[in-house]
Amino acid sequence: AQTVTQSQPEMSVQEAETVTLSCTYDTSESDYYLFWYKQPPSRQMILVIRQEAYKQQNATENRFSVNFQKAAKSFSLKISDSQLGDAAMYFCAYRTDDKIIFGKGTRLHILP
Amino acid sequence: DADVTQTPRNRITKTGKRIMLECSQTKGHDRMYWYRQDPGLGLRLIYYSFDVKDINKGEISDGYSVSRQAQAKFSLSLESAIPNQTALYFCATSDRPGFNEQYFGPGTRLTVT
Repeated sequence: AQTVTQSQPEMSVQEAETVTLSCTYDTSESDYYLFWYKQPPSRQMILVIRQEAYKQQNATENRFSVNFQKAAKSFSLKISDSQLGDAAMYFCAYRTDDKIIFGKGTRLHILP
Repeated sequence: DADVTQTPRNRITKTGKRIMLECSQTKGHDRMYWYRQDPGLGLRLIYYSFDVKDINKGEISDGYSVSRQAQAKFSLSLESAIPNQTALYFCATSDRPGFNEQYFGPGTRLTVT
């Protein structure tokens, strides 16, 4: 069965600094998709970034980028120039054909 | 208007009561999902549906049932609520599989006393 592991339950970063959130997954599939979702205090789930496993190029969305290492089954999220509005719970997710599996989340604190 | 809506947003109920959580979507997606979120456990899949006639159990379906009344509506029921079903419940929809993201409702905070 596929699993998604986020090894950092909580992290803190100084405003304007860079932080990396870790995610590893286990699968025997070769074709899949990976996502990072953000859940601010409003509790709404918001898509941050996504990656297709067959693409070697790492996805980037403004200040958010990923480091996708397919062989290592690693999918980390880097947030550059951290802002107070980035404070949230972040979930890594793995998608197969029929469903998405989520990690347990990393709570990110932004220190002013 | 929001693409995925959930009612109620918050609910307190007593042990043994039957309760229904409702989800509606205007995105025209065939696939709908119910998740449960608990602190430290992330989101876990309860049930999912690929169309009106296709309903599947997820990781934690015991104690729950669902009904897909139409393409746009997917309800989750707790036949006899118990305190450990206290959680945040999310409905989500998606288009065909793959790269497409899931779109989440705002969540329902359920407390069973």
